[in-house]
Amino acid sequence: DAGVTQSPTHLIKTRGQHVTLRCSPISGHKSVSWYQQVLGQGPQFIFQYYEKEERGRGNFPDRFSARQFPNYSSELNVNALLLGDSALYLCASSLEWGASYGYTFGSGTRLTVV
Amino acid sequence: GQNIDQPTEMTATEGAIVQINCTYQTSGFNGLFWYQQHAGEAPTFLSYNVLDGLEEKGRFSSFLSRSKGYSYLLLKELQMKDSASYLCAVRDRGSNDYKLSFGAGTTVTVRA
Repeated sequence: DAGVTQSPTHLIKTRGQHVTLRCSPISGHKSVSWYQQVLGQGPQFIFQYYEKEERGRGNFPDRFSARQFPNYSSELNVNALLLGDSALYLCASSLEWGASYGYTFGSGTRLTVV
Repeated sequence: GQNIDQPTEMTATEGAIVQINCTYQTSGFNGLFWYQQHAGEAPTFLSYNVLDGLEEKGRFSSFLSRSKGYSYLLLKELQMKDSASYLCAVRDRGSNDYKLSFGAGTTVTVRA
C-alpha cells in the first residue's frame, strides 16, 4: 500500500518566486493537512482540508494558499518566497475529519529559498 | 494558542530507559500524540492518549494526565536505532478544524 506521497522531495527557489508542492494521501483518506517544519523546531500547522473544503488555517500570511482536488490530493502554493520560507513541508493524511482519526505523514518536501 | 514544552535533548545508554516529559496548555484538548522523527524523514506515529492513564505498546509507553496538562513517553531497552527526535503533539479542537500543535521535539541520543 502506498503511503502519503509528496513531490518534489527537494526544491531550490529564489526569493520572490512562486512554488507549488503536491501531496497524495493514502488511498481512501479524505482529509489532508499541511505543516511547515523549520530546522530545529516542531511542525507548525498551515492548512487542513476535508472533502475539498478548507477546514482550518494556521497563522501564516496570505502568500500561502492550498486546495484539495476531487481525488483528495492537495497542492500547497507559496507566492513571493522569502528566505524564511525555507523549511520541510509536511503533508498528513487522515481517513476522515474529526477527533477519532490519526494522521500519517509524508516524507516531506525540503524547500530551500536562496 | 497552545504552549507545548519538552526538553531539548536527552542522552542515554543502550539498554537503558529514558522518559521524555511534555507539558501543555490548550483550550480544546482532543488527544495527545507522540511521534518519532529521524533526521530528514517523516514523523512516524508512536502513541496516542486521550484518556488519563498509561498506554503500553511494546518497548514504548505513554502516560497522560489531563488535569495536570502532562504526558510522558517512556522508551525501554533502548537501541541505537532509537536515536531520533521525539515530538509531543496535542490535537486541538478549533472552531472548524482539528489541528496538531507540536512541541519543538526532544533529541534522544543513544550511546553504546
